[in-house]
Amino acid sequence: QTVVTQEPSLTVSPGGTVTLTCASSTGAVTSGHYPYWFQQKPGQVPRTLIYDTDNRHSWTPARFSGSLVGAKAVLTLSGVQPEDEAEYYCLLLCDGVRVFGGGTKLTVL
Amino acid sequence: QVQLQESGPGLVKPSQTLSLTCSVSGGSVSSGNYYWNWIRQPAGKGPEWIGRIYTNGGAGYNPSLRDRVTISLDTSNNQFSLKMNSLTAADTAMYYCTREGRGAYWGQGTLVTVSS
Repeated sequence: QTVVTQEPSLTVSPGGTVTLTCASSTGAVTSGHYPYWFQQKPGQVPRTLIYDTDNRHSWTPARFSGSLVGAKAVLTLSGVQPEDEAEYYCLLLCDGVRVFGGGTKLTVL
Repeated sequence: QVQLQESGPGLVKPSQTLSLTCSVSGGSVSSGNYYWNWIRQPAGKGPEWIGRIYTNGGAGYNPSLRDRVTISLDTSNNQFSLKMNSLTAADTAMYYCTREGRGAYWGQGTLVTVSS
């Protein structure tokens, strides 16, 4: 089964920019993987930020953007806020099966 | 806006079968070209995709769970369900239902504990 890999942890300063990546063990991530990005804070339900590579939900702040860079799906946070500290998960469609990445713990300090 | 609500037993004994239902409001499970998913998340770990069913009834499952899982639609009650058999303690987790398609909407989740 495909393994989806994310950075285990990242640290960013308030107001800064950070890039989270999502890679597939079987090759380059493309739009055909229909990448999703979710944010989860402790004790809360995951919240969908980005779907199908680069589409924001109505509730997703504009500082969150999704894209494909090189062989990976990427979530970029620009102008990071303290409330962005959370766990972030990507989700890919791989041969008809949805696979989550292991998550990136983003620390803002 | 679509809303989803999981329901089912909070405690299940080992080797028994888990049955969960997801009630959907604000949309129909049988229209709109959506996938209806089940996802679980053990405490302190990342989410795991269990499987999903399309509005036409076609289903797909996580290969590691495929032998134990069935997802089905109940169009008359606008619900979809999860059945998972041969439960062990490793199946203890928060279970979520979601709608996928032009975004993803999540239910609040239901905690399932497998214990005798």
